Amino acid sequence: QSVLAQPPSASGTPGQRVTISCSGSSSNIGINTVSWYHQLPGTAPKLLIYSDNQRPSGVPDRFSGSKSGTSASLAISGLQSEDEGDYYCAAWDDSLNGYVVFGGGTKLTVL
Amino acid sequence: QVQLHQSGPGLVKPSQTLSLTCAISGDSVSRSSAAWNWIRQSPSRGLEWLGRTYYRSNWYNDYAISVKSRISINADTSKNQFSLQLNSVTPEDTAVYYCARRSIAVTGAFDYWGQGSLVTVSS
Repeated sequence: QSVLAQPPSASGTPGQRVTISCSGSSSNIGINTVSWYHQLPGTAPKLLIYSDNQRPSGVPDRFSGSKSGTSASLAISGLQSEDEGDYYCAAWDDSLNGYVVFGGGTKLTVL
Repeated sequence: QVQLHQSGPGLVKPSQTLSLTCAISGDSVSRSSAAWNWIRQSPSRGLEWLGRTYYRSNWYNDYAISVKSRISINADTSKNQFSLQLNSVTPEDTAVYYCARRSIAVTGAFDYWGQGSLVTVSS
């Protein structure tokens, strides 16, 4: 059971806009920034979004992040086939249970 | 360009010690604006942060409570690398292990990752 809750799956057609949610609590998302990662099978996660809504250089502006209260969202516009894969959110957690916590992941399928 | 390259055995017997090394190129393990982490991933536990080492005039370590009694992460400045040791392993420690850099430049996100090492705990 992951500390951050994500829907297990999402899907969309090419060109569509999809959003993936990430729900946390007052000890993590509520007071710390959120990052998002994309993982293809057999590879390491890749940083997509940091500091809630910032993109590292090289990440297309089709990807955007937002946060409100104890929840965060990742939006992907102009969906492309290469966007398939698993998406994870992460945040620092100030509780006794750990430092960095991850979501359980959302598998995105491009139909 | 920062690169992290992992090495270590892929099979460890129960009760023994899991040891992995992460060699850094394009950055320094001693850089004061970075922290060097180990993260693992398994179907049952998902992505799990294990711990980190970092240099801020002195060396510091932080470990996840779930493994705190069994883990050690150390930096080797002469080889510009850091290592993971996890003692008394059980089959539940079977996972893909990743090393990763956490950088102030991206507000503490993990911006570079190693290629991953599948470690199986089995007799």
